[in-house]
Amino acid sequence: DAGVTQSPTHLIKTRGQHVTLRCSPISGHKSVSWYQQVLGQGPQFIFQYYEKEERGRGNFPDRFSARQFPNYSSELNVNALLLGDSALYLCASSFEGANSPLHFGNGTRLTVT
Amino acid sequence: QKEVEQDPGPLSVPEGAIVSLNCTYSNSAFQYFMWYRQYSRKGPELLMYTYSSGNKEDGRFTAQVDKSSKYISLFIRDSQPSDSATYLCAMSDNTGFQKLVFGTGTRLLVSP
Repeated sequence: DAGVTQSPTHLIKTRGQHVTLRCSPISGHKSVSWYQQVLGQGPQFIFQYYEKEERGRGNFPDRFSARQFPNYSSELNVNALLLGDSALYLCASSFEGANSPLHFGNGTRLTVT
Repeated sequence: QKEVEQDPGPLSVPEGAIVSLNCTYSNSAFQYFMWYRQYSRKGPELLMYTYSSGNKEDGRFTAQVDKSSKYISLFIRDSQPSDSATYLCAMSDNTGFQKLVFGTGTRLLVSP
């Protein structure tokens, strides 16, 4: 079975631009979470969605938003990009929200110049 | 002070050594404890998870949780060069496997 897939793998954007990152969960998984991993740090929680509803939000500004589609795939959107948004954005899926451990994809490397 | 503290390393050991990786935490509400392995340019890979205190063994890996000391450990027996990676501890409260709080990761280097 395929794992969590994310696209694109790499992205370069300019300050002030908008970006959309995409994630397809493991087949059968209904929950998707997004994490930001800055170089040299552990991942930091951004959002969790379960059955298309937001179930948790981390300490990130409103420039960050996400949604989950009926097929359980998800998008993370970031507006008005800042240099500090440069990071590896990780998507993780789990079978059912809070009761199942997370399985991560390989991430999207975002560079903001 | 960070909620989860982890020595960034690097930790260098010879092949076959027993490796001990550790994290300390400050939030007594943490109930779920996980270890992830992350190779360069890859996403974290779940190794083991435990609930509350105690030990759990899976092959060459053993996870220990001491809630009284707010201290968790991962032991790797008979370490291999393929174990060279960054090891991340993660934990969450009684809301379950959501809103994980990660350590910074320990880089492990196993030399042949």
